[in-house]
Amino acid sequence: EVQLVESGGGLVQPGGSLRLSCAASGFTLSSYALSWVRLAPGKGLEWVSSISGSGSSTYYADFVKGRFTISRDNSKKTLFLQMSSLRAEDTALYYCAKVMGAGGGIATTCLGNWGQGTLVTVSS
Amino acid sequence: DIQMTQSPSTLSASVGDRVTITCRASQSISTWLAWYQQKPGEVPKVLIYKASSLETGVPSRFSGSGSGTEFTLTISSLQPEDFATYYCQQYNSYWWTFGQGTKVEIK
Repeated sequence: EVQLVESGGGLVQPGGSLRLSCAASGFTLSSYALSWVRLAPGKGLEWVSSISGSGSSTYYADFVKGRFTISRDNSKKTLFLQMSSLRAEDTALYYCAKVMGAGGGIATTCLGNWGQGTLVTVSS
Repeated sequence: DIQMTQSPSTLSASVGDRVTITCRASQSISTWLAWYQQKPGEVPKVLIYKASSLETGVPSRFSGSGSGTEFTLTISSLQPEDFATYYCQQYNSYWWTFGQGTKVEIK
């Protein structure tokens, strides 16, 4: 059974940093791209970033480019999101998600499995 | 970036109604479109992928259609468990985007 368990969320001041983790199990990690998607209070789902199965390719939404860094450690079965220069508008529930299709890429495949999310609150 | 526009934003319907949600892309995305359902306090669940393919285990009352820039999600006979928020998502490019969501409420 595929399991994705996020951790690392919390309260941080504007301008601060936070590192999210997602522990994955139940599938061959290197065969699947992974993504972060967020849900802000009162708003809709928003794609944040994706990384290929090998970790060699990364993609970011414009609103986090230069501030967030996605990475993965397949040997430790873990996905990361390093967030810096955080803003109030980054407050959200951050989901880790696995694509449906194997092969390692993110082209032509959508999200099939989601974690429960970890809450990030940016406030002074 | 490809923009996705859903309509309506909110939909009030009764059990048994036929419901249609529309999603428009700002440029052609072929059939690289997914529909997700999210209930309060739950994680999103994929219903439809590649515009019209039903995910395993999803009831057949859900269907998707469209290609290019116009897509629809149809629920043929709304059930009590279908009251939720629905999102479309394009994955034609490496930079994915979601629609703003359609909340289906009880009339």
